[in-house]
Amino acid sequence: EAGVAQSPRYKIIEKRQSVAFWCNPISGHATLYWYQQILGQGPKLLIQFQNNGVVDDSQLPKDRFSAERLKGVDSTLKIQPAKLEDSAVYLCASSSEAGGWYGYTFGSGTRLTVV
Amino acid sequence: AQSVTQLDSQVPVFEEAPVELRCNYSSSVSVYLFWYVQYPNQGLQLLLKYLSGSTLVESINGFEAEFNKSQTSFHLRKPSVHISDTAEYFCAVSGNTDKLIFGTGTRLQVFP
Repeated sequence: EAGVAQSPRYKIIEKRQSVAFWCNPISGHATLYWYQQILGQGPKLLIQFQNNGVVDDSQLPKDRFSAERLKGVDSTLKIQPAKLEDSAVYLCASSSEAGGWYGYTFGSGTRLTVV
Repeated sequence: AQSVTQLDSQVPVFEEAPVELRCNYSSSVSVYLFWYVQYPNQGLQLLLKYLSGSTLVESINGFEAEFNKSQTSFHLRKPSVHISDTAEYFCAVSGNTDKLIFGTGTRLQVFP
């Protein structure tokens, strides 16, 4: 089966600019996650979708980050305006069951550099 | 709430030597435990997981991990490493939600 697709692979922007990342999960996977991985740290969950509804966005900085999953398939994560500390790899993952213990499938990520 | 501690940020080892990557967790509920591997410029790949049953779990490429409830540990081991095992390894825990809590990672560097 095709994996989780993410684009772009790399993005460099200046602070205060906006940026968007796209994720297409594995076909049929109802649950989609966005993680932020800052250099030297483990990934941190930003938001979790079940179909097109938000299950958990408690760690999402809502003053600047937004995410949507229209039609319950692909998803977009946006940052506006970006700050230097947003430099990180943004990972998308999907799972076929509501329980994460079945294991996620991760995409290759988008590496964001804010200068 | 759950948390994960990976005590070693880097582990250098020579090829064919044994290795252990340490992981300790804390949780007030029953947990599910995972090891993920991340090769350079790639996404995270599930290496192995403990859900229930046998406390010793194995991966297809020779890694194994043992769930030790009394010591709240889930250390990853391999009796003989290869150059291709060089990567970042993340331990993760999931409680009664879907959220994965990751440790800070251990970089395994295998030298010839």
